[in-house]
Amino acid sequence: AQSVAQPEDQVNVAEGNPLTVKCTYSVSGNPYLFWYVQYPNRGLQFLLKYITGDNLVKGSYGFEAEFNKSQTSFHLKKPSALVSDSALYFCAVPNDYKLSFGAGTTVTVRA
Amino acid sequence: GAVVSQHPSRVICKSGTSVKIECRSLDFQATTMFWYRQFPKKSLMLMATSNEGSKATYEQGVEKDKFLINHASLTLSTLTVTSAHPEDSSFYICSATGGGGRTEAFFGQGTRLTVV
Repeated sequence: AQSVAQPEDQVNVAEGNPLTVKCTYSVSGNPYLFWYVQYPNRGLQFLLKYITGDNLVKGSYGFEAEFNKSQTSFHLKKPSALVSDSALYFCAVPNDYKLSFGAGTTVTVRA
Repeated sequence: GAVVSQHPSRVICKSGTSVKIECRSLDFQATTMFWYRQFPKKSLMLMATSNEGSKATYEQGVEKDKFLINHASLTLSTLTVTSAHPEDSSFYICSATGGGGRTEAFFGQGTRLTVV
């Protein structure tokens, strides 16, 4: 079965600093990988995806993610975090016809 | 494009009553819709998968008779929580795939159900 793991429950950064949210994957074959963000009491919003091609994927709201095959990682990054980036972030991988999510990482950006 | 609308966003109901939550794909035909339940600060728990015109596939441990799912058209799926109890209080989220051949799923805004 395909799966992803998010090793950090919580990430705290100061506004303006770089933000990294970690995700590792376990898949057979070539992975499809996704990042979603969830603001309080809202559904999930799609940020970006890796299907194939360039290892650096650019997405919404200034986020990007780097696919690293040797480390089986797909970390989400933002060069300069905003207070408004405070939210719950999920990486996900298709598993049969379903999506398997990581446990989620709560990001808090302090002013 | 690829908007999924979920309604209502919030509902409070009395114990023993039933509540219906709607999930609509507004600008695409959703071949498959998914219903999730989310506990506070936790990941999403898939409850069931529905395909238009066929019976929903429920995940292990989810009561089919309690959480009725109907996928009557390619743009509408409904989740009915029957005989609701306080322990059913949760955040329910739907998602849909099939938008313009894209691989990602699109999510509704979620419904906060409180059973009193």
